[in-house]
Amino acid sequence: EPEVTQTPSHQVTQMGQEVILRCVPISNHLYFYWYRQILGQKVEFLVSFYNNEISEKSEIFDDQFSVERPDGSNFTLKIRSTKLEDSAMYFCASSTGSRYGYTFGSGTRLTVV
Amino acid sequence: QQQVKQSPQSLIVQKGGISIINCAYENTAFDYFPWYQQFPGKGPALLIAIRPDVSEKKEGRFTISFNKSAKQFSLHIMDSQPGDSATYFCAASSFGDDMRFGAGTRLTVKP
Repeated sequence: EPEVTQTPSHQVTQMGQEVILRCVPISNHLYFYWYRQILGQKVEFLVSFYNNEISEKSEIFDDQFSVERPDGSNFTLKIRSTKLEDSAMYFCASSTGSRYGYTFGSGTRLTVV
Repeated sequence: QQQVKQSPQSLIVQKGGISIINCAYENTAFDYFPWYQQFPGKGPALLIAIRPDVSEKKEGRFTISFNKSAKQFSLHIMDSQPGDSATYFCAASSFGDDMRFGAGTRLTVKP
């Protein structure tokens, strides 16, 4: 069964550093998403991406964050100047349609120290 | 703005019992209501979904009940099993909008 692959599974970074979280969506999917889940809390929408541009972003997704699809397979989330409160699980998801049948990756646990 | 409210936060059920998780929404434009199941260390996985033109959808032991006038929907897990122990998220979306999740319910099914 096709799956969304995220790397790394765990990343530890120093406060103020930049991190790049990587995702390989399912190959025939057209819509890509990043969600965040602070430990034990709700899943929060960050950003959606379609046709090589951001289609929607939440208030969490400020200038500190950016997304990119650098080639035909990868979808990345860059967090500049990380803060302690950025520590969370970050999930990538993809879908064929704008809101149906999301497939989530297993997540990247980001720890900012 | 919390668009989808989920309760309870945690739920303990005996094996064989019925687990019920409730969600309420505010945005009447929502027209797709999925439930996701998340095991520790994994991403949420789509479990079952409903659209507002039906009041109930059943897949195996999992049933969604939908009340459009009350703007509420619920997940019922019949004959709950220890393997059902996970966190369950309700969600909602509308055309041109992206998925909004509830806060999650941690279900524990005791053997």
